[in-house]
Amino acid sequence: DVKVTQSSRYLVKRTGEKVFLECVQDMDHENMFWYRQDPGLGLRLIYFSYDVKMKEKGDIPEGYSVSREKKERFSLILESASTNQTSMYLCASSKLPGTKGNTIYFGEGSWLTVV
Amino acid sequence: RKEVEQDPGPFNVPEGATVAFNCTYSNSASQSFFWYRQDCRKEPKLLMSVYSSGNEDGRFTAQLNRASQYISLLIRDSKLSDSATYLCVSRGGVTGGGNKLTFGTGTQLKVEL
Repeated sequence: DVKVTQSSRYLVKRTGEKVFLECVQDMDHENMFWYRQDPGLGLRLIYFSYDVKMKEKGDIPEGYSVSREKKERFSLILESASTNQTSMYLCASSKLPGTKGNTIYFGEGSWLTVV
Repeated sequence: RKEVEQDPGPFNVPEGATVAFNCTYSNSASQSFFWYRQDCRKEPKLLMSVYSSGNEDGRFTAQLNRASQYISLLIRDSKLSDSATYLCVSRGGVTGGGNKLTFGTGTQLKVEL
């Protein structure tokens, strides 16, 4: 089975702290995504990557950065956490569109509270 | 206007009922579509892909109407275990932003005894 693992499930951080959210997938997927999910707003794309060292901004990249040094790992970085970044963060991965079996798989989510 | 729009519900239906959800999308370049199911405080999981010809998986039927830019999901003989939020998802073309998935905010279904 495909496994997308988010190492930190529940975090509480202080305003201004630097926060790292790590995501690892074990299926050699080219695509990796970071979303945040908030009540009434649904899932919103922060960043995605379709190859190592490649990244593209999603709909709400402000306040975030990402790193993809290895194919299996996609990290989300909050340079200076703020209370409005309190949310559930979801990592996902997939093969490239048009590839057979390009289902998108999600990690279990990381619940971040910024105080 | 949101790129993918869904009625948030909740839809409260008795067990055994048939329920239908609709979803509209605004990006005509979207190439593929999906329905995901999300249980409370869990990650979304793929329910089914949606094809223009319509596709069925047991009690679930999905349909895509490209001319009107809407997607539907029909659930027959609802079970208590179908209670969840159903997310409509579109995906763009192959190049550049085509990797991007766009989610609706979800439609909440509650199946009751």
